[in-house]
Amino acid sequence: QKEVEQDPGPLSVPEGAIVSLNCTYSNSAFQYFMWYRQYSRKGPELLMYTYSSGNKEDGRFTAQVDKSSKYISLFIRDSQPSDSATYLCAMSVHGQFYFGTGTSLTVIP
Amino acid sequence: GAVVSQHPSWVICKSGTSVKIECRSLDFQATTMFWYRQFPKQSLMLMATSNEGSKATYEQGVEKDKFLINHASLTLSTLTVTSAHPEDSSFYICSARRADTGNPGNTIYFGEGSWLTVV
Repeated sequence: QKEVEQDPGPLSVPEGAIVSLNCTYSNSAFQYFMWYRQYSRKGPELLMYTYSSGNKEDGRFTAQVDKSSKYISLFIRDSQPSDSATYLCAMSVHGQFYFGTGTSLTVIP
Repeated sequence: GAVVSQHPSWVICKSGTSVKIECRSLDFQATTMFWYRQFPKQSLMLMATSNEGSKATYEQGVEKDKFLINHASLTLSTLTVTSAHPEDSSFYICSARRADTGNPGNTIYFGEGSWLTVV
């Protein structure tokens, strides 16, 4: 079983839709949860990170962690064509990082 | 945010030659740097982890003699693809772990990636 599971998509939504991206994990020791955005032919950039369970909001983005279910989500409100990218979740414990495979998102104008 | 610079952004080389890719952390010290390979529309594949001043740790299936990694300073790591062949053509990405923060959530930063085409 992989440490981190992420549906690769692709996911296609109309502009303005609410997008939900998700990852599940198996290691209950994970403490930090990150979301990265990768545009085509570019390196990933850190979007948000959260510690332990709960929600964190940054503009149109909300990261949610449910440690009891070993499930994390990234919500994008009022999605824009510029949000079209691959989104990778990542988790860490004891300095080790584990990445999901990434979900490809396309927001259609 | 922290900046990781990768150079060159793209390179074309002849089969059999060697190519060096540099990864620099511009505004922080990186105790650890990671090298990834990514094929089109696929996920990041970790190739190796390098710690400053010590030998790199390679993932299973990655040839250490083919992909030479040097991490000579806290701000620079290099990946050399030796005797490159067309099947080595790929997108290579580095990431750096900054040493000056106690918050693991914001310690990993990626370079822009380097496209290698071997002809």
